[in-house]
Amino acid sequence: NAGVTQTPKFQVLKTGQSMTLQCAQDMNHNSMYWYRQDPGMGLRLIYYSASEGTTDKGEVPNGYNVSRLNKREFSLRLESAAPSQTSVYFCASRASNTIYFGEGSWLTVV
Amino acid sequence: GENVEQHPSTLSVQEGDSAVIKCTYSDSASNYFPWYKQELGKRPQLIIDIRSNVGEKKDQRIAVTLNKTAKHFSLHITETQPEDSAVYFCAARRRTALIFGKGTTLSVSS
Repeated sequence: NAGVTQTPKFQVLKTGQSMTLQCAQDMNHNSMYWYRQDPGMGLRLIYYSASEGTTDKGEVPNGYNVSRLNKREFSLRLESAAPSQTSVYFCASRASNTIYFGEGSWLTVV
Repeated sequence: GENVEQHPSTLSVQEGDSAVIKCTYSDSASNYFPWYKQELGKRPQLIIDIRSNVGEKKDQRIAVTLNKTAKHFSLHITETQPEDSAVYFCAARRRTALIFGKGTTLSVSS
């Protein structure tokens, strides 16, 4: 039972490049989330998905797109990376009230 | 949308002292308030939570109080230990979206 799995763990991108962060959970949860964490800013919600087939914008959605591919997978895409998107990205899923986080993806845009 | 304010941003205490972290929220429809602890380089982990129909909840050395009228909730840690040193986040949830405060860095010195 792996919980929430994110890939890649570390990535360096050049400005303007695109990439997709992958997330999968094996707990049969309906709700999934993408957060970014920056020093002094806490965890900010980018997008979330209440159930398979639905996605909603969070606090900071600009520059990102998401896909809820199926119940297990929720991917985050940066179409044209910018230095301001340098951050630690956490995927999470929720059962009832408790949110479970993945280990995080460290992304640097140069 | 929901907005969560958290204070203080840093807190230093001596081992054995108590620590209190306070949060306010803006959306009166929020009904679930968890607290997460994050150690350096790790993912956030749930330590305690409270629902809007409860005023106080305890779990050993930690407790959370909620004042719905004033829209604020607090985390209380008693008999602090060095291993309590970490970043603590409060959050508020209405329906699916979970919004976090900016975090409090707690340092416990022995």
